[in-house]
Amino acid sequence: QITLKESGPTLVKPTQTLTLTCTFSGFSLTTIGAGVGWIRQPPGKALEWLALLYWDDDKRYSPSLKSRLTITKDTSKSQVVLSLTNVDPVDTGTYYCAHRGWGRKSWTFDYWGQGILVTVSS
Amino acid sequence: QSVLTQPPSASGTPGQRVTISCSGSSSNIGSNTVSWFQQLPGTAPKLLISDDDQRPSGVPDRFSGSKSGTSASLAISGLQSEDEADYYCAAWDDSLNGYWVFGGGTKLTVL
Repeated sequence: QITLKESGPTLVKPTQTLTLTCTFSGFSLTTIGAGVGWIRQPPGKALEWLALLYWDDDKRYSPSLKSRLTITKDTSKSQVVLSLTNVDPVDTGTYYCAHRGWGRKSWTFDYWGQGILVTVSS
Repeated sequence: QSVLTQPPSASGTPGQRVTISCSGSSSNIGSNTVSWFQQLPGTAPKLLISDDDQRPSGVPDRFSGSKSGTSASLAISGLQSEDEADYYCAAWDDSLNGYWVFGGGTKLTVL
C-alpha cells in the first residue's frame, strides 16, 4: 500500500525559503522507474505541477519556477524534499506530493498525499 | 493560464451523461497519454483515468476517457450526486526539458 504525507511549515514570510518534506511508504525510490512529484494548488485555483524526482536522481522542474525550485531525496528515510526560494504571497496554497506510477502504457500520478496548506504572509 | 484548456464548468442532472473536454498541443496530448483526476471538495486529487482511457482499479465504469489528436475527453454516464467535484486533465509535455502540464480544471455541478 503506497502512502505519502507532506510536512513542513504552514506559515512562511515573504522572501524566505519554503522547505517541504514528503515522507512515503509502500515503494522505494531505488526501484527503476520510481519517482515522486510535487504539485501545488492556490486557494480556489487549479493544480500546478512543480517538480519531479526520478529514481536515478534525474530531476525535472516547472519552466516558470525552475530558478526557485530544488528537489532532493533521502532514500534511507524514504523522503523527498522540495525547496522554493524567495517566496511571495502568490505562492500560498496547498502543496501535494504524489507517486509516479506506471499505468498500462505510461506514467501518471497514481497516489497523492493529503496536502499541506502553506500561507506566505508577513 | 494553464497549458491544457478545459471548460471552467459543466453540469447535469442525475442519470445524465456529461462530457468534459481537454485541449492541448502536439507536444503534450498529441504525443503523450492523458490522465484525469477527480478532486472532491476539500480533498486531494484522485487518479480517475490514466493512459487516455484506462480506469484504475476501483473507479466505476461510469467514467470513461478518450483522446483524438491534441484533445481528450472525460465522459461520466449515469451522473450521481457524489460526482460533483473538480476534474483535471494532465499530460507530459515534451518541450523544453520535459514537464507535466495540467488543465485549468472543470467544476462539475450535479443539478
